[in-house]
Amino acid sequence: QSVLTQPPSVSAAPGQKVTISCSGSSSNIGRNLVSWYQQLPGTAPKLLIYDNDNRPSAIPDRFSGSKSGTSATLGITGLQTGDEADYYCGTWDSSLSVGVFGGGTKLTVL
Amino acid sequence: QVLLVQSGAEVKKPGASVKVSCKASGYTFVSYDVNWVRQAPGQGLEWMGWMTTNSGDTGYSQKFQGRVTMTRDTAINTAYLELSSLTSEDTAVYYCARGPPLRSYVDYWGQGTLVTVSS
Repeated sequence: QSVLTQPPSVSAAPGQKVTISCSGSSSNIGRNLVSWYQQLPGTAPKLLIYDNDNRPSAIPDRFSGSKSGTSATLGITGLQTGDEADYYCGTWDSSLSVGVFGGGTKLTVL
Repeated sequence: QVLLVQSGAEVKKPGASVKVSCKASGYTFVSYDVNWVRQAPGQGLEWMGWMTTNSGDTGYSQKFQGRVTMTRDTAINTAYLELSSLTSEDTAVYYCARGPPLRSYVDYWGQGTLVTVSS
């Protein structure tokens, strides 16, 4: 049972847009910055978004992040088959004093 | 470029300990924290703890308190994770990941080390 809640799966057609939600509480997302990670099959996770809505320089602007209250959202536009992966949100939980992740969302590009 | 290279796969018996290494290159080792995250087969990511490489200060998830030790050797830019009293539930891929100090994200990950606990 993850502290942060994500949908288990999402899907969309190539070229379309998809959003992935991440729901938390006042002790984690509500007071700390959120990051997002992409994990391609059989590989280590990769940072996509940090501090709610910032992209590392190598990440294309098709990926975006936002946060409102105790929820965060990852958006991906212009979907490509290479985007098929598991996506995780993460943040710090100030009550538990621990880093926390969502359970992960599997993206299928139909 | 930033690289984190971890030690190879391990097979351990229940009750044993395992020590995983993570050698950093391409940046100033003591300027960033090292976090450890594990992933059980088919499961999500689980944060285990962090270490400030400059001072050696650590913070562990309550779940692993008493069983986990994170250390480093700054002379060879290497961080270590040791986990004791292993059970089958500790079978997982263990990742080290670099984190900017006092920030809630990690920006580079090692390739992962599979630890299998089996009798």
